[in-house]
Amino acid sequence: DSGVTQTPKHLITATGQRVTLRCSPRSGDLSVYWYQQSLDQGLQFLIQYYNGEERAKGNILERFSAQQFPDLHSELNLSSLELGDSALYFCASSDGPNQPQHFGDGTRLSIL
Amino acid sequence: QQQVKQSPQSLIVQKGGISIINCAYENTAFDYFPWYQQFPGKGPALLIAIRPDVSEKKEGRFTISFNKSAKQFSLHIMDSQPGDSATYFCAASKGGSARQLTFGSGTQLTVLP
Repeated sequence: DSGVTQTPKHLITATGQRVTLRCSPRSGDLSVYWYQQSLDQGLQFLIQYYNGEERAKGNILERFSAQQFPDLHSELNLSSLELGDSALYFCASSDGPNQPQHFGDGTRLSIL
Repeated sequence: QQQVKQSPQSLIVQKGGISIINCAYENTAFDYFPWYQQFPGKGPALLIAIRPDVSEKKEGRFTISFNKSAKQFSLHIMDSQPGDSATYFCAASKGGSARQLTFGSGTQLTVLP
């Protein structure tokens, strides 16, 4: 158990809808990272937050947004969903920008 | 542009054998190279990591070999066990406060009993 909790584990929705994925980092970890894992693109970095502030952006679509709250949990918001957004979304956390990242078990998003 | 290339895509090894997975990177700014292990239905779990100031790091049955001049690094699993059957990802990140990981495409390892 990595200590990183992601909810929900599975999410099924339709095109055009909006969903929110939640991540609770390991106790004390200030950095949260979001990654997308798909069959065609592999594991790709989306965005990072450190203590509530955005620190880095990767291949994140404009339809996607994220935030980190004062209690350090993070949410990834996906809107105007398309079939191609079906993927596993992982959250990782670390106790500093230069420390190893520990991953949660992901949220599997299926768009019908 | 794929910055970390991983091979092979799949690997079958007999129990007790040595599993070898290779990665090559392009960005010379990378300075941290972890390997992750992923089982079905689970997130990637950090296995072992190396920085470019050393050429080899060993932890139990797992060894990373690093060749800075060739921009290559590899994972060796000694005495492979059926429980090692999983997908393995190499990754790389570069200095700075962000340190987002760039992953290889993954290797599905099967260890036969």
